[in-house]
Amino acid sequence: QVQLQQWGAGLLKPSETLSLTCAVYGGSFSGYDWSWIRQPPGKPLEWIGEIIHTGSTNYNPSLMSRVTMSVDTSKNQFSLNLTSVTAADTALYYCGRARVRWLIDSWGQGTLVTVSS
Amino acid sequence: DIQMTQSPSTLSASVGDRVTISCRASQSVSDWLAWYQQKPGKAPKLLIHRASNLESGVPSRFSGSGFGTEFTLSISSLQPDDSATYYCQQYNSYSGTFGQGTKVEIK
Repeated sequence: QVQLQQWGAGLLKPSETLSLTCAVYGGSFSGYDWSWIRQPPGKPLEWIGEIIHTGSTNYNPSLMSRVTMSVDTSKNQFSLNLTSVTAADTALYYCGRARVRWLIDSWGQGTLVTVSS
Repeated sequence: DIQMTQSPSTLSASVGDRVTISCRASQSVSDWLAWYQQKPGKAPKLLIHRASNLESGVPSRFSGSGFGTEFTLSISSLQPDDSATYYCQQYNSYSGTFGQGTKVEIK
């Protein structure tokens, strides 16, 4: 039974960089894609991007210029950096395991990130 | 981007009722359509993939159907534990867009 545990700063000021990390416990790390998804208050879920164990990435075009994902296979962890945040980036951020691209079958517990001056 | 539109936004039904949620895609997604259930304060849970394939452990009262642009999620006999928000998601093409959600309330 795979478990995903995520952490990172929950309160940021505009223009700062959002950084989150997700650790994967149990199951295969190299056999899946690893994703980040966010849910702004009152808005639909939004796929941010994904990374596989080789480090290859795919990002949502709407966020591509500000997103970087990385992976540490020695620790079964992957990370999200989102630069130059604004209030529009305030959301509940989830990490997730993608069984196939964009299909998330296991989720982290979520991290609320608030951007406020 | 493919847009996903769910209806209704909210529905209220009684225990034992049959409930149906619709999801429409702005262009064909074949059967690359998933349904998730999200309860307050919790992460979404995958219920159905490939439009009609039930995830292991999901009660058989849940079912999905559809192909192309029109999809439905049905709950054959609504239970109190089914109170949640349900999201459809296409995973046919870039960015795997989600619908805006349907909140199911128990009368």
